[in-house]
Amino acid sequence: AQSVTQLGSHVSVSEGALVLLRCNYSSSVPPYLFWYVQYPNQGLQLLLKYTTGATLVKGINGFEAEFKKSETSFHLTKPSAHMSDAAEYFCAVSRYNQGGKLIFGQGTELSVKP
Amino acid sequence: EPEVTQTPSHQVTQMGQEVILRCVPISNHLYFYWYRQILGQKVEFLVSFYNNEISEKSEIFDDQFSVERPDGSNFTLKIRSTKLEDSAMYFCASSESKTGETQYFGPGTRLLVL
Repeated sequence: AQSVTQLGSHVSVSEGALVLLRCNYSSSVPPYLFWYVQYPNQGLQLLLKYTTGATLVKGINGFEAEFKKSETSFHLTKPSAHMSDAAEYFCAVSRYNQGGKLIFGQGTELSVKP
Repeated sequence: EPEVTQTPSHQVTQMGQEVILRCVPISNHLYFYWYRQILGQKVEFLVSFYNNEISEKSEIFDDQFSVERPDGSNFTLKIRSTKLEDSAMYFCASSESKTGETQYFGPGTRLLVL
């Protein structure tokens, strides 16, 4: 079975500081990996995804993530946080032959201090 | 930009009552999903749907739940006899790809069962 663990339910950074949100996954076959963001009272928006190919993937709003198979990780980073990045971030995994079913992590709430 | 819409945004119902949550997926998408998020918990997969059939369902999706595509645009989730523990945010998602690589989520319906 697949699973996702996000380390840290709350992360707080200062504006301009590095954002690092951690995600580790468990999968018996090569996974598809995703990061979604949820702003208050809104749905889930895809930030970025890894399916195959280059292990460093870039997404919207300056975010990027690196798939590290040896560490079973897919951490999300952004060099410089903006106030507008404050939101809930979800890491998710799926398998090609499971028809797109997404397994989500618990979520990490990112706060950005001025 | 096309988007998934859901109605209503909020619904309050009495235990034992039937509720129907409605979703309008993106028009050229063929794969549809329902997820739910109980307050403070993970987003959980409920069901996937393609070609007027359920592709996969989770253990949560028992006989009290059903899905339907009654016409060419709507996708509905029915809960036959609601329980207190059905209180959650319900998200609809759609994808044009069978692998569900990019699922577009609606803003959700917050269901409260009293």
